[in-house]
Amino acid sequence: AQTVTQSQPEMSVQEAETVTLSCTYDTSESNYYLFWYKQPPSRQMILVIRQEAYKQQNATENRFSVNFQKAAKSFSLKISDSQLGDTAMYFCAFMNYSGGSNYKLTFGKGTLLTVNP
Amino acid sequence: KAGVTQTPRYLIKTRGQQVTLSCSPISGHRSVSWYQQTPGQGLQFLFEYFSETQRNKGNFPGRFSGRQFSNSRSEMNVSTLELGDSALYLCASSPELVANTGELFFGEGSRLTVL
Repeated sequence: AQTVTQSQPEMSVQEAETVTLSCTYDTSESNYYLFWYKQPPSRQMILVIRQEAYKQQNATENRFSVNFQKAAKSFSLKISDSQLGDTAMYFCAFMNYSGGSNYKLTFGKGTLLTVNP
Repeated sequence: KAGVTQTPRYLIKTRGQQVTLSCSPISGHRSVSWYQQTPGQGLQFLFEYFSETQRNKGNFPGRFSGRQFSNSRSEMNVSTLELGDSALYLCASSPELVANTGELFFGEGSRLTVL
């Protein structure tokens, strides 16, 4: 069974600083996707960044980057130059893909990040 | 382009009743997925519909059902409500099968309270 673990229920960071959110996963699959989703207070969840397991290069989207360690099954999210609008619940998610529509998309329990002015 | 729209946003029901939630996906998106979000269990997958057919299903009892219409709009129904069904129900759309990309576009959710 696939599991996704986010060991930090809550974190805080000062505006303009850098913060790293941790995520580990457990799977026996070799092909899969990893995601970070962001859910701001009372707003819809949006995709922040996606990583294909077969790609060695870490994904980057503006101020957001990941550190993907496949052997360690670790997928952390780094937010640089934190902004007040980054305050949100962040979910790490895992999806196996082996063809067809019988996939499984598993979310972690989330990390509540607060950016302080 | 309008985002994913869910109605109603808030509703209160009593045990034993049934409820129907509606979701309009982003224009052009053919896949609609439903998730249940609770503080204790987090996000749990209910089902995915694509071209009016259920393509994938999570581990929920048969009281939870859904359907998709030809215009890709989707509804989910929960019958014989239980207190534990109180949750935020999230709808997410994708331009193609979720299995192809994993990318979901979420709505703001329908918050169901069961008394």
